[in-house]
Amino acid sequence: KAGVTQTPRYLIKTRGQQVTLSCSPISGHRSVSWYQQTPGQGLQFLFEYFSETQRNKGNFPGRFSGRQFSNSRSEMNVSTLELGDSALYLCASTDRGNEQYFGPGTRLTVT
Amino acid sequence: EDQVTQSPEALRLQEGESSSLNCSYTVSGLRGLFWYRQDPGKGPEFLFTLYSAGEEKEKERLKATLTKKESFLHITAPKPEDSATYLCAVQGRGRGSNYKLTFGKGTLLTVNP
Repeated sequence: KAGVTQTPRYLIKTRGQQVTLSCSPISGHRSVSWYQQTPGQGLQFLFEYFSETQRNKGNFPGRFSGRQFSNSRSEMNVSTLELGDSALYLCASTDRGNEQYFGPGTRLTVT
Repeated sequence: EDQVTQSPEALRLQEGESSSLNCSYTVSGLRGLFWYRQDPGKGPEFLFTLYSAGEEKEKERLKATLTKKESFLHITAPKPEDSATYLCAVQGRGRGSNYKLTFGKGTLLTVNP
């Protein structure tokens, strides 16, 4: 089975711009979660989607949003980028079990 | 709020020198405790899930154990290829804990040949 894929792998944006990141889960997995990883804060939960519904959301400002499509693919959007949004954004998928399988991440740099 | 603390932050071992990594946690009803391995520039790689105190799981040179307050990742006779950051995470049953993992900051393991 193919793993979780994320696009793009690297992204450079300017402060104030917006960005959209994409995630394709493992085939058959219906739950997709997003995490932000920074050297200072580690891995922090952003949100989780199942069957196009957001079931949980982390403590991030409203600039961070996401959605899931009927084929389980997911996107996350960050508007009005700030320098502190520079991070590795990780997507994970899971089936009926608890194990979350992560993709390679998207490295976002905000200048 | 679920919390995870990992120690030490960094650990340097000689090849063949066994040791343990610690993960202390507080959670409102443990649904599962997870260990991941992360190599530089890559996403975390799933290793183990533990569900209840007393449970143990093994994979090659790694063995994970669980008590009601902490988990240990024992590394026996490590090799240089075991060098990575090891992450511990919990999933709770309380409101707000569903469907998310709370991670510790990780232990950076370096194994010298």
